[in-house]
Amino acid sequence: GAVVSQHPSRVICKSGTSVKIECRSLDFQATTMFWYRQFPKKSLMLMATSNEGSKATYEQGVEKDKFLINHASLTLSTLTVTSAHPEDSSFYICSAEGLAGAPDTQYFGPGTRLTVL
Amino acid sequence: SQQGEEDPQALSIQEGENATMNCSYKTSINNLQWYRQNSGRGLVHLILIRSNEREKHSGRLRVTLDTSKKSSSLLITASRAADTASYFCATALSSNTGKLIFGQGTTLQVKP
Repeated sequence: GAVVSQHPSRVICKSGTSVKIECRSLDFQATTMFWYRQFPKKSLMLMATSNEGSKATYEQGVEKDKFLINHASLTLSTLTVTSAHPEDSSFYICSAEGLAGAPDTQYFGPGTRLTVL
Repeated sequence: SQQGEEDPQALSIQEGENATMNCSYKTSINNLQWYRQNSGRGLVHLILIRSNEREKHSGRLRVTLDTSKKSSSLLITASRAADTASYFCATALSSNTGKLIFGQGTTLQVKP
């Protein structure tokens, strides 16, 4: 149990386009989802915390108009990178915490590798 | 400021040997968690230790927590080539917002 999926796993886009990444909890209800960004050989940087039905809370330095987060249901959160530029190229990982699995434990998706040309 | 600092940054050992990774943090925590990441993949939760616990075991994993020194260690015993991965500690702050702050990670290579 406690499986989280992400789609797509890999995306290549042109500069200026927008890209949507989906994060789904497959077998549990995720009260909270988190979005992280990871640069090569680096740690995960928390971008925002998303609660179902409410606005996301962004970390300092993360542009909310650039990285739009929607948590429309207890099983789905989306991250949209708007007007993507090459510097947005990164590995984006979501995690979900909710009414399943061990308490205080986040379950991570497999990640989405974004390459902006 | 960096919450989690890990050392070593990289570790290379032979199969069968033990691997020890350390994590230090700066602020009070609710719990500390260890995750594993294979190259280009998501994270796998390994073990969670709460601030009132000192040691925890799970299979070949042993985690210790010293809140007075604000440090934790992860020991993998009898390592296998399949243990090759990056290992991250992550702290959940006492404010219990659910947010995790990740350390920089230790890259472990286990040679067959």
